[in-house]
Amino acid sequence: NAGVTQTPKFQVLKTGQSMTLQCAQDMNHNSMYWYRQDPGMGLRLIYYSASEGTTDKGEVPNGYNVSRLNKREFSLRLESAAPSQTSVYFCASSLDRAYETQYFGPGTRLLVL
Amino acid sequence: KQEVTQIPAALSVPEGENLVLNCSFTDSAIYNLQWFRQDPGKGLTSLLLIQSSQREQTSGRLNASLDKSSGRSTLYIAASQPGDSATYLCAVNNNAGNMLTFGGGTRLMVKP
Repeated sequence: NAGVTQTPKFQVLKTGQSMTLQCAQDMNHNSMYWYRQDPGMGLRLIYYSASEGTTDKGEVPNGYNVSRLNKREFSLRLESAAPSQTSVYFCASSLDRAYETQYFGPGTRLLVL
Repeated sequence: KQEVTQIPAALSVPEGENLVLNCSFTDSAIYNLQWFRQDPGKGLTSLLLIQSSQREQTSGRLNASLDKSSGRSTLYIAASQPGDSATYLCAVNNNAGNMLTFGGGTRLMVKP
């Protein structure tokens, strides 16, 4: 039981490049989330998926898109990376919405030059 | 808009001390409050979840309390150990249900 896994662990991009961050969970959870963590700003919700087939914006969705590929996988895409998107990105999942305990992946460190 | 504040931002204590971490929030209409631990370069690990109807939750040496009306929660760590060194974050779940609002965290160092 791996819990929540994220790939890649670390990535360097140039401004304007695109990339997709992958997240998968093996706990049969319905809800999945993408956060970013920045010094002095704490963790902020980018997008979430309350259940398979649905996605909704969080606090800071601009510049990102998401896909809930199936119940296990939730990806985050940066179409045209900007230096302001340099951050640590965390994926999380919970059994059913944010009411339940959230389980976090190890994070992806992204540097946009 | 919900705002969550954690004070102090950093704390250093000698091993064996009992300590209290504080969390305050501006909107008392919460569904629950969660405490997490984050080790350097790692993801978050859930420690305790307190429902809005509860006053406290305990797990081992950890005890979390919640006073919803005053917008405060505390995390009590008994007999601290060097292995407790980490950043502790609190997060509140608003009644809308799908969003956690996090505090900035308290970075704890327990010295041997």
